[in-house]
Amino acid sequence: KQEVTQIPAALSVPEGENLVLNCSFTDSAIYNLQWFRQDPGKGLTSLLLIQSSQREQTSGRLNASLDKSSGRSTLYIAASQPGDSATYLCVVRHTGNQFYFGTGTSLTVIP
Amino acid sequence: DAGITQSPRHKVTETGTPVTLRCHQTENHRYMYWYRQDPGHGLRLIHYSYGVKDTDKGEVSDGYSVSRSKTEDFLLTLESATSSQTSVYFCAISDNLNTEAFFGQGTRLTVV
Repeated sequence: KQEVTQIPAALSVPEGENLVLNCSFTDSAIYNLQWFRQDPGKGLTSLLLIQSSQREQTSGRLNASLDKSSGRSTLYIAASQPGDSATYLCVVRHTGNQFYFGTGTSLTVIP
Repeated sequence: DAGITQSPRHKVTETGTPVTLRCHQTENHRYMYWYRQDPGHGLRLIHYSYGVKDTDKGEVSDGYSVSRSKTEDFLLTLESATSSQTSVYFCAISDNLNTEAFFGQGTRLTVV
């Protein structure tokens, strides 16, 4: 069974810092990997989608990389802002039409 | 944002009553999913659908049933609600196995 782990579980940084969130998965047979953010009491908002054949994707201050062979993905956030405070989830789309959710990283950006 | 709407957004119901949650999409996506989110458990798959009238069970399907009579609607029914089904329920959609998944805003269900 696919297992998805995110490190760290929680992170607190001052505004303006660049930061990296890590995601690892145990089975490399994936269709894609998607990063989401979830604000308290809200749904999941899609940030970036990386196909299994891709190495990275960028959107604004966000950059996500994928190393499928080693089972790792990172989400890089540049120049963090208080509005970036949320829980970030890594979600792997596995063969067999299943999504596997990471354990999440709770990010707090301090003004 | 993808056109995906869950209703109701909040519901309080009594133990033993049936409850139906609705997920409605305007994207004409093939796949639809129901998840529940609980502290300490993350999101767990209840049921999913890969087309009209085509559904399959997830890891926590006991006590739940689903129906999909048309592409845009995926209904989740709690046949006889129990307190253990108090949770936040999310619907998700995707067009095919390689495309982006989108989630609804969630339904907070409380069973008293």
